[in-house]
Amino acid sequence: DAGVIQSPRHEVTEMGQEVTLRCKPISGHNSLFWYRQTMMRGLELLIYFNNNVPIDDSGMPEDRFSAKMPNASFSTLKIQPSEPRDSAVYFCASRRGSQGDNEQFFGPGTRLTVL
Amino acid sequence: AQRVTQPEKLLSVFKGAPVELKCNYSYSGSPELFWYVQYSRQRLQLLLRHISRESIKGFTADLNKGETSFHLKKPFAQEEDSAMYYCAPRRSYNNNDMRFGAGTRLTVKP
Repeated sequence: DAGVIQSPRHEVTEMGQEVTLRCKPISGHNSLFWYRQTMMRGLELLIYFNNNVPIDDSGMPEDRFSAKMPNASFSTLKIQPSEPRDSAVYFCASRRGSQGDNEQFFGPGTRLTVL
Repeated sequence: AQRVTQPEKLLSVFKGAPVELKCNYSYSGSPELFWYVQYSRQRLQLLLRHISRESIKGFTADLNKGETSFHLKKPFAQEEDSAMYYCAPRRSYNNNDMRFGAGTRLTVKP
């Protein structure tokens, strides 16, 4: 099992461009999480899904950010338009079930640089 | 408001010295607490969870409800313990909402 898969691993773009980050959770996991990691703020939860349904998006910084999960094996996080302050590492994680103490498994992250 | 605080962004100790990474939380009810670790060039991964009362790689963490703390401890640090450590409370057993602290970067010097 390759674990949680994220693409691209690195993204460099210019301010104002649209950025789409992709995530494939572990098969059989029905909870999916998007996090953002920065030096200043650490690891922030942006949004999470249970059974493809967004449950809590209160961590999404602003309307420029949107996330979708069209099916159980794919999710996207989109930033439009991107800004330099969006530069960070974005992690996707998945978990089996929505209850209990099951572990969250993280992807390798996407390092985003907005110039 | 629910909050988790890791007061030290950076912590440096010598090999063989004791180490304690602090975590304080402000959560209503009975949260579940976890420590996650990220070694260099590796994925973020679970280190231990408080309900298991286990010792992983020599680390232990005791939940102190009176002080609302969940400090991570190891009596003798090793160089391979150098990593980023995150404390992560989850609101309850039945809730999927898990938040992470800002993290502490531990460096163990030879």
